Amino acid sequence: EAGVTQFPSHSVIEKGQTVTLRCDPISGHDNLYWYRRVMGKEIKFLLHFVKESKQDESGMPNNRFLAERTGGTYSTLKVQPAELEDSGVYFCASSSQRPGLHEQYFGPGTRLTVT
Amino acid sequence: AQSVTQLDSQVPVFEEAPVELRCNYSSSVSVYLFWYVQYPNQGLQLLLKYLSGSTLVKGINGFEAEFNKSQTSFHLRKPSVHISDTAEYFCAVSNLTGGFKTIFGAGTRLFVKA
Repeated sequence: EAGVTQFPSHSVIEKGQTVTLRCDPISGHDNLYWYRRVMGKEIKFLLHFVKESKQDESGMPNNRFLAERTGGTYSTLKVQPAELEDSGVYFCASSSQRPGLHEQYFGPGTRLTVT
Repeated sequence: AQSVTQLDSQVPVFEEAPVELRCNYSSSVSVYLFWYVQYPNQGLQLLLKYLSGSTLVKGINGFEAEFNKSQTSFHLRKPSVHISDTAEYFCAVSNLTGGFKTIFGAGTRLFVKA
């Protein structure tokens, strides 16, 4: 079974540019989460999808961040325009909706550097 | 709201010595508890989890953790570490309802020296 995959693994962009991160969850997982770790700080929740619907987006830092999950499969996280403080590692995780199966499986992360 | 405090940012230890990584949490509701590990240049991997039942939880790679409700702690232990255990370890909690979003601690870097 393939795990959670994220693309790209690294991205270096200039301030003001746009970047789109992609996450492919484990097949059949309805829950999809985005997290971010800014250098030296804790991993913070950004948002949660159940299928294609946003269940909780309380962690999104501002309106420069837009997450989508069209069709309830893969998800994208767009940052437009990027700022220096957006640098960090963006993790995606997925989990099943089945009762009792709450473990979140994490992807390897995308390291975003804004210069 | 929940919060997680990892009491040590870095823990150096010699190979084959025991180690304990400390974690305290705060929550007004019942939560699930987790320890994740991140090896260099890799993603997060689940070490172990506490959902209910026995308070002593065994995980992969010889790690175990004990849930202490009265002290709101979930410390991670290993009786004898290896060089390969060098990594960053994250304690985390997840609420039982409302989407199961995970709250992480700041991480503890474990350095195992020969």
